[in-house]
Amino acid sequence: GAGVSQTPSNKVTEKGKYVELRCDPISGHTALYWYRQSLGQGPEFLIYFQGTGAADDSGLPNDRFFAVRPEGSVSTLKIQRTERGDSAVYLCASSLSPGIGNTIYFGEGSWLTVV
Amino acid sequence: SQELEQSPQSLIVQEGKNLTINCTSSKTLYGLYWYKQKYGEGLIFLMMLQKGGEEKSHEKITAKLDEKKQQSSLHITASQPSHAGIYLCGADSGNSGYALNFGKGTSLLVTP
Repeated sequence: GAGVSQTPSNKVTEKGKYVELRCDPISGHTALYWYRQSLGQGPEFLIYFQGTGAADDSGLPNDRFFAVRPEGSVSTLKIQRTERGDSAVYLCASSLSPGIGNTIYFGEGSWLTVV
Repeated sequence: SQELEQSPQSLIVQEGKNLTINCTSSKTLYGLYWYKQKYGEGLIFLMMLQKGGEEKSHEKITAKLDEKKQQSSLHITASQPSHAGIYLCGADSGNSGYALNFGKGTSLLVTP
């Protein structure tokens, strides 16, 4: 597609449930990033993929969060045993390659509400 | 870790007025990104600055990078209602280009 595509755009789930958020990056972009944005805050880095591998997952808050990118394109962020504090906008971004000088393009985000 | 402080936190200006938003880093800046976010939407890329003293312009928006001050400024000339939104600066302190740190954003409202 023309831009970074994220689904679902909105998700309401009950506390304790499992959630998957999907990201389809811009075609040809090898670098893919997940960020989380809470109300009134800037985006917070979660994880970065270069190709199929997670090059840096230091931003994942705990082991309930996991992300995969099995074929080096689409990525899925998985959240187990959701908690109310997980409610936020989850943003996916991609760039042609990593490194300064490469524009990082963001998707519209997936709004997650845990009730 | 690097912290980015944006000022002001919010801004209300009358249409046609000029305005400036600042982004100050606690560490050396190797690259600085400016994004605009409309309420409830994703981030729209505006500009990227890489070198000290670099200045870029797009339409009525100009961004500058002052490497020595570890600061970037975003200037909007003759503001319009379409400029309203949240402006975010993001930076990589380690020249790696992936784990961007972001400021909390500056909320801009342009009144008729």
